[in-house]
Amino acid sequence: SQTIHQWPATLVQPVGSPLSLECTVEGTSNPNLYWYRQAAGRGLQLLFYSVGIGQISSEVPQNLSASRPQDRQFILSSKKLLLSDSGFYLCAWSVQGLGNQPQHFGDGTRLSIL
Amino acid sequence: DAKTTQPTSMDCAEGRAANLPCNHSTISGNEYVYWYRQIHSQGPQYIIHGLKNNETNEMASLIITEDRKSSTLILPHATLRDTAVYYCIVLISSGSARQLTFGSGTQLTVLP
Repeated sequence: SQTIHQWPATLVQPVGSPLSLECTVEGTSNPNLYWYRQAAGRGLQLLFYSVGIGQISSEVPQNLSASRPQDRQFILSSKKLLLSDSGFYLCAWSVQGLGNQPQHFGDGTRLSIL
Repeated sequence: DAKTTQPTSMDCAEGRAANLPCNHSTISGNEYVYWYRQIHSQGPQYIIHGLKNNETNEMASLIITEDRKSSTLILPHATLRDTAVYYCIVLISSGSARQLTFGSGTQLTVLP
């Protein structure tokens, strides 16, 4: 069966510090991969998605970036965090090529910026 | 993507069936109905999805009306661990990556 792992589960970072969140998927090949942010009391905001290694689409301009160095690895980064980057970050995957297949989420990383 | 309407909250007794309704009157012919739930501080969990026919899996059943303007998620024997916010989403089927947009959802509270 397929599993998705995100780490760390929680993170407290000072303003201006760098960020690296990692997500890996097991049990499937060539998945679509997604990074979402969920602010408190709000819905999901799609940040990035990827359909293959090195292929990243950005949905919202911001100081975050994403990379996919391997087929099942998706990384969310920032060079300098802002207070507004606080939130709950979720990685998700779906089967590529079948448009009706659902997205499956990891357990998320709760990021607090001080 | 079509808009959905769900009740804000529902209660259900433990062991009884939980029936969660969703209205999606503007759904188009190639849009699927998906259900997710989110337990506080966890990632959303996929439950079930369907196009026209009723669907059942190990977690739940999905009943879609014949005109597809509404659907009901059924948890046959609710447990305390089913307490969560349940989201009904309508999403067009396509080969490209799609953004999930969650509305307010229904807060289901399973009571002992």
